[in-house]
Order: sequence, then structure tokens, then C-alpha cells
Amino acid sequence: AQKVTQAQTEISVVEKEDVTLDCVYETRDTTYYLFWYKQPPSGELVFLIRRNSFDEQNEISGRYSWNFQKSTSSFNFTITASQVVDSAVYFCALSEGNNDMRFGAGTRLTVKP
Amino acid sequence: NAGVTQTPKFQVLKTGQSMTLQCAQDMNHNSMYWYRQDPGMGLRLIYYSASEGTTDKGEVPNGYNVSRLNKREFSLRLESAAPSQTSVYFCASRSTNRRLNTEAFFGQGTRLTVV
Repeated sequence: AQKVTQAQTEISVVEKEDVTLDCVYETRDTTYYLFWYKQPPSGELVFLIRRNSFDEQNEISGRYSWNFQKSTSSFNFTITASQVVDSAVYFCALSEGNNDMRFGAGTRLTVKP
Repeated sequence: NAGVTQTPKFQVLKTGQSMTLQCAQDMNHNSMYWYRQDPGMGLRLIYYSASEGTTDKGEVPNGYNVSRLNKREFSLRLESAAPSQTSVYFCASRSTNRRLNTEAFFGQGTRLTVV
């Protein structure tokens, strides 16, 4: 079965610092999908990005950027100039061709003013 | 647009009681999922259903049963609740067919306490 590892349990930064959240995955499938979700203190799950295994282009959306590297099985997420509102738990997830979708344990990000 | 609707939002059970968590989606998605979230352990997949009439075990299926009643509804049943099943439960749905493969859309969660 596939596996997602988010080795950083908690990260604390000061506002305006850049921060990178790591995600490493394991899969035997050649077709798969990777996701990032944000869970703010209110508890809902907010979708951030989806990437399929055939698309290794990096993506930037405002202060958010994602670096997908198949060679290292990583899909890392960078927040530039962090803000207090970025404080949340961030989850990386992997779905293989059988539609099974597994999440990592999450990284709790705290941005201090 | 309701999206994914879970009921109830909160529930307290006594050990040994049974209950069913309901989930319905109105996005015509083929795949549906049940997860549990415990502190420090992320979201763990209990069961999923890739299409109406099919269900598969996830990481932590023991103590649970599911029913994909139709394309819209996917219920999770606890036959004999145990304190270890105290958790927040999330239902999700997504489209996973060849023409369209989307992200998962989540319900608001059910906070279950077993005493």
C-alpha cells in the first residue's frame, strides 16, 4: 500500500519568514495523484493543490509554491512571507490508481507575530 | 450547493452501543471515503468505495462496517462502540473516473465520544 511521510510534526516561525513543509511518498503505481490540504483551528479541511504523476511542473499560487520531484518522491510545499493566518495543520495525501487515498500525519505550523 | 453532508455533528455513546454515521454528497462523485482523525496521527482511512456497490478496507477497518447505499450515500456503522473509537470522523467524496479526477471534498466532521 502507498505511504505518505511528513517528518516535521511541528514548525514554528515568525511572521514574514519563509517555511517549507516536506512530504515524501511511496508508491508502486506509475499513475497517482498528490494533494495538499490545510486544516485551520476551526477544523475543516481546505484543499490547496492537486498534482498528477505525469506533471512535474512546479506551481506557484500567490505566496504558496509546490515542488514536485519524482526522482526523490517528494512533493514539498513552501509558504513565502508567512502570515499569522497561515497557522494550521497541513496534510499531504496520495491517491493511487485504485482510488485509495492516504494522508500523512500532518505538520502543525505556527506563525508568530 | 450542499457538497458533502455528515450527520450527526456530535455524538456521545456508551461502550457497547451501536450507531451509524451518515454521509451524503450531491456532486455525482463515484468515490467516497471515511476517515478518522486522532491527535498526532493525521487522517487514517477506515473504508472507501470506488463506485456504487463496492467497498474496500483502508488502514484501520476493524470495528467498523460500511454501506454504499447508492451513489450519493455512504454510511459508517459502529456495531459495538469502544473508547478507542473516540475520534473525529470525516467523510469525503471525489470523482476518480478517467475523464475527471478531482480532489477530495470533505464533510464538516463528526465528533464522537465513547464513554
